[in-house]
Amino acid sequence: GESVGLHLPTLSVQEGDNSIINCAYSNSASDYFIWYKQESGKGPQFIIDIRSNMDKRQGQRVTVLLNKTVKHLSLQIAATQPGDSAVYFCAELPYNNNDMRFGAGTRLTVKP
Amino acid sequence: KAGVTQTPRYLIKTRGQQVTLSCSPISGHRSVSWYQQTPGQGLQFLFEYFSETQRNKGNFPGRFSGRQFSNSRSEMNVSTLELGDSALYLCASSQGQAGGHEKLFFGSGTQLSVL
Repeated sequence: GESVGLHLPTLSVQEGDNSIINCAYSNSASDYFIWYKQESGKGPQFIIDIRSNMDKRQGQRVTVLLNKTVKHLSLQIAATQPGDSAVYFCAELPYNNNDMRFGAGTRLTVKP
Repeated sequence: KAGVTQTPRYLIKTRGQQVTLSCSPISGHRSVSWYQQTPGQGLQFLFEYFSETQRNKGNFPGRFSGRQFSNSRSEMNVSTLELGDSALYLCASSQGQAGGHEKLFFGSGTQLSVL
């Protein structure tokens, strides 16, 4: 069946390094994607989104890349900080559908 | 603007009981979605309400139900609780525009433990 999944369950990086979190999706009808960050004891927090008519979008210290050919999504965090330690989820949404599906999540740990 | 508010924050119930969770969306948001989050299954969509009507539904048994009030506040109910219902239940709101493509704003969740 269609699903959203993440390549790595955990990622550990050194403070100041760049982080890359990957996500694979299989629903070719999905045309809107979001990255969320979830800290312990909190709900998911919106980071950045991208529509399928784009292949790159930049925010503050974050960049999302979309490769529709291989159905791959990535989140790049520049100069990773301890406050970036959290679980990161990708989510997909097909057009005209409000049923947002989430990947399994990647736990990012930033070492000082 | 206040965020999404969920109550209660924690709940402990026993098998066979029922539970009602409450969610107040961001002011002006008309869509409320509910998700179940567990370590094993991740975030799973339960249902979405818009203008007091269930607009989308996930693959959960009929023991899971919800409703939305005219002020967009929503409640979800789980009847005949099972141990496997222990989870963090998250509510998310959005404006609910047709065609989707809206980011969801999440509350902090209700942590339900079934003993």
